Amino acid sequence: GAGVSQSPRYKVTKRGQDVTLRCDPISSHATLYWYQQALGQGPEFLTYFNYEAQPDKSGLPSDRFSAERPEGSISTLTIQRTEQRDSAMYRCASSETSGRGETQYFGPGTRLLVL
Amino acid sequence: AQSVTQPDIHITVSEGASLELRCNYSYGATPYLFWYVQSPGQGLQLLLKYFSGDTLVQGIKGFEAEFKRSQSSFNLRKPSVHWSDAAEYFCAVGAGRGTYKYIFGTGTRLKVLA
Repeated sequence: GAGVSQSPRYKVTKRGQDVTLRCDPISSHATLYWYQQALGQGPEFLTYFNYEAQPDKSGLPSDRFSAERPEGSISTLTIQRTEQRDSAMYRCASSETSGRGETQYFGPGTRLLVL
Repeated sequence: AQSVTQPDIHITVSEGASLELRCNYSYGATPYLFWYVQSPGQGLQLLLKYFSGDTLVQGIKGFEAEFKRSQSSFNLRKPSVHWSDAAEYFCAVGAGRGTYKYIFGTGTRLKVLA
C-alpha cells in the first residue's frame, strides 16, 4: 500500500478482555516494528519482524503480549487479559530492511483504552 | 544505557520567528539520529536523519539539525516558523546492533501563535 495502515484506530475494552491490533505495512517492506506510546511519552520499542521471523521480542512488557506476522506482510499484536496499564497508543512502523539507519515509516496508531 | 532527552515539553513561538528544539542523547557508539514530527491524527513523519559526514543535516519542510558530538546534541532548527508547524516533535536514536530499535525522547509540543 501507499503507507502504513493500522486498525482499529480506537479501541475501548474492559479489563480482562483480549484485544488484537492490526498493522498493514508498506507492501515492499521486509521489516515491521511495534511500539507502545504512553500518554506524554515517546514511543517505546516492543518487537520487530523481518518477514515472518521475529528476532527481537525484548520490549514486550509481559507474556500477555504477543505478535505475529505469519505471511511476512500483515502483522497483529494481541494483548490477552488486558489491564488498565495497557492503555496507550500502539504504533506500527515498517522499513525496507532492518539495516543500519533504515527509515521507519509509521502508521497512524491504534489508541487503546482499557476500562 | 541509551537514552534521549528532550528538555522542553512545550514551546510556544510566534509565526515567522526562529525555532530551536533541543535533543540530547546518550549512546556509546556513533549514533544514528532522527527527528520525527507528529501532527494530530497522523503517524510519525520523518523530518531528517543523521548517520555520518556533514554535521548539519537538511530535512523536509525547511528544517535542519546539527549534530554536535562534544555536546551529545542533535538540535532541530527552523529559521521561520509557519502556523502549520504546530505539532509534536520527537528526537530518536537508533540503538541495537542493527540500529533498528529506535529510542525516542518524550517529545516537544510546539505551539505557533499567529
